[in-house]
Amino acid sequence: ETGVTQTPRHLVMGMTNKKSLKCEQHLGHNAMYWYKQSAKKPLELMFVYSLEERVENNSVPSRFSPECPNSSHLFLHLHTLQPEDSALYLCASTMDLGSSYNSPLHFGNGTRLTVT
Amino acid sequence: AQKVTQAQTEISVVEKEDVTLDCVYETRDTTYYLFWYKQPPSGELVFLIRRNSFDEQNEISGRYSWNFQKSTSSFNFTITASQVVDSAVYFCAGRAGNMLTFGGGTRLMVKP
Repeated sequence: ETGVTQTPRHLVMGMTNKKSLKCEQHLGHNAMYWYKQSAKKPLELMFVYSLEERVENNSVPSRFSPECPNSSHLFLHLHTLQPEDSALYLCASTMDLGSSYNSPLHFGNGTRLTVT
Repeated sequence: AQKVTQAQTEISVVEKEDVTLDCVYETRDTTYYLFWYKQPPSGELVFLIRRNSFDEQNEISGRYSWNFQKSTSSFNFTITASQVVDSAVYFCAGRAGNMLTFGGGTRLMVKP
């Protein structure tokens, strides 16, 4: 079992649907991230949470709504998405943001999202 | 602002060849950390190595080695005696503060 688990692995949704991506980490980390990976583009940071508080919102459209109920779980709620939102969404965690800038991020396998 | 540049988009080698992946990291921060990640077809990014900005010692770990030169902002990664299982996309990343910024990735194909 990987330290960071993402579900579902694949998701196909219409533009009017509402769905949620789930991420769970079993590493005792305090910081969690959402990244978007589109074809032929660098990984884009979307959101950063530290101790359940959002510390970064990287100009992400409001149709993406994150939720971090505790330090082990992170959700990304999706509604009225566009076809260009189709991408691999990666969740990651790290020990904490304060004194551990050298701590690597641990990533999940990602959710492959297709918006039709 | 940070910028990570991986000029090589795709590299193809034959098994057992050595291969070097290039990375240039630009930042105004004096303290930062550099990482290499591997992304196999399964999608998960796997952490490989890390380096901090005040340690320019080059290191070798098994078939992996890395060369950090602060003067040129380069953080290159070498795989010796490449194997087919090394085929993946490799990402260089830099971290200063909360932000971990990734380069565009280099797709490495190792042919038998």
